[in-house]
Amino acid sequence: DTGVSQDPRHKITKRGQNVTFRCDPISEHNRLYWYRQTLGQGPEFLTYFQNEAQLEKSRLLSDRFSAERPKGSFSTLEIQRTEQGDSAMYLCASSLGQISSGNTIYFGEGSWLTVV
Amino acid sequence: AQSVTQLGSHVSVSEGALVLLRCNYSSSVPPYLFWYVQYPNQGLQLLLKYTSAATLVKGINGFEAEFKKSETSFHLTKPSAHMSDAAEYFCAVSVSSSGYSTLTFGKGTMLLVSP
Repeated sequence: DTGVSQDPRHKITKRGQNVTFRCDPISEHNRLYWYRQTLGQGPEFLTYFQNEAQLEKSRLLSDRFSAERPKGSFSTLEIQRTEQGDSAMYLCASSLGQISSGNTIYFGEGSWLTVV
Repeated sequence: AQSVTQLGSHVSVSEGALVLLRCNYSSSVPPYLFWYVQYPNQGLQLLLKYTSAATLVKGINGFEAEFKKSETSFHLTKPSAHMSDAAEYFCAVSVSSSGYSTLTFGKGTMLLVSP
């Protein structure tokens, strides 16, 4: 059973460029989450998918952030017109069912973004 | 709103000593609580979780945590620290909203283990 896979693991980009991160969840998991983690902080929830439906996107940090999960399998997180404040680790996670029902969220290794 | 507070951003112990990492929660409903560990430049790995069954929860790598409702606490312990335990530890609480649930994390506690 492979875990949550994220690509790329590291990305350095110039301010103003667009970046896209990909997440492949555990194969049978229909719930997918994106979090952001900055240095010295815990992960911060960004958005949530159940299958292909994005059920929560109000926590995305600005309209420069968008996420998709077109076929209910992999997901992408795009940041347009990057700013230095976007530098962080972006974590993807997946679960088989609701956390509130006792299910576990499994995290990927994260994608580090550095905006210069 | 549900939240967790981790007391102490850094905890230092000697190898073989007791590890105690503190987490207090705030929740208007019975909470589900989690401890995750993060090694440098890696994602988060689940150590253990409390889902309203036994109040003493045993996890991986010899860690355990006890849910104490009267103290609104879920502290993480390990009887004897190993060098390999050096990492950052996050406490998290399940938060439900509009038909879905996610995790809210504390700020983390860095565990330093000295020989």
